[in-house]
Amino acid sequence: LAKTTQPISMDSYEGQEVNITCSHNNIATNDYITWYQQFPSQGPRFIIQGYKTKVTNEVASLFIPADRKSSTLSLPRVSLSDTAVYYCLVGDDGTDKLIFGTGTRLQVFP
Amino acid sequence: DARVTQTPRHKVTEMGQEVTMRCQPILGHNTVFWYRQTMMQGLELLAYFRNRAPLDDSGMPKDRFSAEMPDATLATLKIQPSEPRDSAVYFCASQDGMNTEAFFGQGTRLTVV
Repeated sequence: LAKTTQPISMDSYEGQEVNITCSHNNIATNDYITWYQQFPSQGPRFIIQGYKTKVTNEVASLFIPADRKSSTLSLPRVSLSDTAVYYCLVGDDGTDKLIFGTGTRLQVFP
Repeated sequence: DARVTQTPRHKVTEMGQEVTMRCQPILGHNTVFWYRQTMMQGLELLAYFRNRAPLDDSGMPKDRFSAEMPDATLATLKIQPSEPRDSAVYFCASQDGMNTEAFFGQGTRLTVV
């Protein structure tokens, strides 16, 4: 059973910053927070992972508050090609099982 | 460019037939996952292996599904007998250790008629 809660869908326009928040109230001490992106007819693709504070890579930033009960994926200046489903995952009882929730369907408009 | 390879990409079969899906994980990855994706249920974890040993297959219907890793370069998912409700996209993913990036294959789209 997925341990995360995300908005079902979000809309944005090209060039805007998009922030997708995920709630994981029961996150365990040793759980990491990982985000994946999935395009239609493709497998999910890793975006970013973090444990606490802020992580940034070439495509996104991940903000994690001190209590770690939520996290926010930030996509700077989205383009049409960022239209996809975004999944937030946390660990599962100390194992490395990847349990996907329903994800957030992001639609970017011109 | 290392990638997870799944075969076949598409499979159409009649109800009652055996279906075998294959996955070649990335060389050196010690963890392999099998997922099923449908519109209604989303991505469901069916089974996963570490170092070829099954760690958890609680998400898999045991009466008709079986997952194995005959060797480190091959994972298989079999359905026997297949049913229309098994129609879905089946994904395989591999990972090198815990809390690392998992790489997914392109999936096998199964249609059981």
